[in-house]
Amino acid sequence: GQNIDQPTEMTATEGAIVQINCTYQTSGFNGLFWYQQHAGEAPTFLSYNVLDGLEEKGRFSSFLSRSKGYSYLLLKELQMKDSASYLCAVMDSNYQLIWGAGTKLIIKP
Amino acid sequence: GAVVSQHPSWVICKSGTSVKIECRSLDFQATTMFWYRQFPKQSLMLMATSNEGSKATYEQGVEKDKFLINHASLTLSTLTVTSAHPEDSSFYICSARKADTEAFFGQGTRLTVV
Repeated sequence: GQNIDQPTEMTATEGAIVQINCTYQTSGFNGLFWYQQHAGEAPTFLSYNVLDGLEEKGRFSSFLSRSKGYSYLLLKELQMKDSASYLCAVMDSNYQLIWGAGTKLIIKP
Repeated sequence: GAVVSQHPSWVICKSGTSVKIECRSLDFQATTMFWYRQFPKQSLMLMATSNEGSKATYEQGVEKDKFLINHASLTLSTLTVTSAHPEDSSFYICSARKADTEAFFGQGTRLTVV
């Protein structure tokens, strides 16, 4: 079956760095997405990786290793507004989006 | 986690016809449902937000008369693409949300208009 795994919840301190991991097993691969979702709001797009390596966007970076079925989202210089759920999603060979359950990130002062 | 079922997973239709996509929350009551559209290798684009029993709120640039959204019950929302054209070919995904909690996503529907 198809499966996306990511931690349920993580806690970090304001100003620190946190890495949210995502492992996947899917039938084919057409890219991996990370989304941020604040409570009660629609998710917003953060990043898209289709080739191995690190993609950097300001304070956020996303890494992909296709051979390992692994990705992580790295958040630097954490701010209180980064408290949210972070969703990992993989597009399989049929262009279906397989979603992880999301990681709730709690930022403490 | 809660389950959201979207049907069909994929559909091919002729230009000029209409297509209906269903989004069901299977084990919870969804007060709000979101409909997204996604082109290949691009982010999800929010099309509209619908609350049960009221009219959907459409994002700027989304044609209300072309993308009809109905949220008649707390477990079902439908998106009807009317008079579909090849440029409507895309991936459509719904998500459903319980009151004041995170949203859960459907599997998505790939629409191809020929």
